[in-house]
Amino acid sequence: SQTIHQWPATLVQPVGSPLSLECTVEGTSNPNLYWYRQAAGRGLQLLFYSVGIGQISSEVPQNLSASRPQDRQFILSSKKLLLSDSGFYLCAWGHPGRNYGYTFGSGTRLTVV
Amino acid sequence: KQEVTQIPAALSVPEGENLVLNCSFTDSAIYNLQWFRQDPGKGLTSLLLIQSSQREQTSGRLNASLDKSSGRSTLYIAASQPGDSATYLCAVTPLDTGNQFYFGTGTSLTVIP
Repeated sequence: SQTIHQWPATLVQPVGSPLSLECTVEGTSNPNLYWYRQAAGRGLQLLFYSVGIGQISSEVPQNLSASRPQDRQFILSSKKLLLSDSGFYLCAWGHPGRNYGYTFGSGTRLTVV
Repeated sequence: KQEVTQIPAALSVPEGENLVLNCSFTDSAIYNLQWFRQDPGKGLTSLLLIQSSQREQTSGRLNASLDKSSGRSTLYIAASQPGDSATYLCAVTPLDTGNQFYFGTGTSLTVIP
């Protein structure tokens, strides 16, 4: 069966510090991978998605970046965090064209102080 | 661009009541529609996935219907329980941009014991 792992679960970082969040998927190959952010009391905002290794599409211009070094690994990074980067970050995977739908990780709660 | 709306934004019902959550989308050219549940501070849990060729899907006390031509889906919850309290989100995958999916604004459900 397919599983998705996301870590860390919570993170408190000072303003200006770097960020690295990791997401890995098991039990499938060549999935589409997604990073979403959910600010407090708000909806889900798509940040990045990837259809293959090294292929990243950015939906929102900001100081965040994403990379996909391996087929089932998706990393969200920042060189210098801002207060506005605080939120709940969710990774998801799916196979467009198949009947799986999308599956989400358990999320990372990021607080920038 | 596909726009997805959920009404009502919040709903409070007494335990045992049957209820209906609504999801509307502007472009009927979709591949599928998926209903999710999100508990506070948690990731998204998939509830039901309806392919565009299907009219409804059922899982336990949940029944989701899809009327693609009118751009509507409903999630019916029978005999509601306090444990059903959560935010419910629908998401559609458009045919023309199958690598992305679009979320509704969500309905926050509270079931009162």
